[in-house]
Amino acid sequence: AQKITQTQPGMFVQEKEAVTLDCTYDTSDPSYGLFWYKQPSSGEMIFLIYQGSYDQQNATEGRYSLNFQKARKSANLVISASQLGDSAMYFCAMKRGGGNKLTFGTGTQLKVEL
Amino acid sequence: EAGVVQSPRYKIIEKKQPVAFWCNPISGHNTLYWYRQNLGQGPELLIRYENEEAVDDSQLPKDRFSAERLKGVDSTLKIQPAELGDSAVYLCASSQGQGIIEQYFGPGTRLTVT
Repeated sequence: AQKITQTQPGMFVQEKEAVTLDCTYDTSDPSYGLFWYKQPSSGEMIFLIYQGSYDQQNATEGRYSLNFQKARKSANLVISASQLGDSAMYFCAMKRGGGNKLTFGTGTQLKVEL
Repeated sequence: EAGVVQSPRYKIIEKKQPVAFWCNPISGHNTLYWYRQNLGQGPELLIRYENEEAVDDSQLPKDRFSAERLKGVDSTLKIQPAELGDSAVYLCASSQGQGIIEQYFGPGTRLTVT
C-alpha cells in the first residue's frame, strides 16, 4: 500500500521569501511518481510539479522545485519568491509507475504574508 | 480549451434524499475519475473510468453510490440515499491515456447533508 505523509498542517511565509513544504512517502513499488497540487479556496486542484522515481534530476517548474531524496523517501516542495497568490492548500500525491490512481496526503495550508 | 466542468457547485440535501453530480471532462480525455474530499483531508479516489468502462471502483460504496459514463464522455455520480457522513466535496478529474502524468481537476461539488 502507498502512503503520503504531510506533517505541516499550516505554514506562514513572508512575501518574496522561499518556503519548503514537507512530504514523505511510503511504497514498496520500485517505480512511482510524486506530484504536488495546489488547491486555492475556489476548490480546483491545480497540478504544479511531477517527479518520477527514476528521474536523476530534481524537477523544477518556474518558482516550484521538488527536493527529491529517494533514500529518505521525501519529496519536499520548494516555492521560491513567494507571492500572495500562493496562499492555498498544497497536496503531495503519489501514483504507482504506469498506474493512474493518485494517493494524496492531508495537505499543508500555506499563508503568504506581506 | 475548456477545463473539467462540474455541476452543481453546491448542494444541500436532507439525509435519505438522493443526489446526483455531473461531470464533463476535457475533450479527448478518455480517463475520468471521481474523488471524494472530506474536510481537512486529501481527495480519495472513488471510481476511475477508461472510456465507458469502470476499471477501478474498489473504493466506491456500492450500496448507496452509483456512477455511469455514457458514451465515454460525461459522467454522473449518484448517492441514494444520502447519509450525514456523505457531506464532502466531490471532485471530478480527467486525463488523456494510460500513464499520462497530469490529471486535470474540476472545481468540485460541495455536498452538505443535513
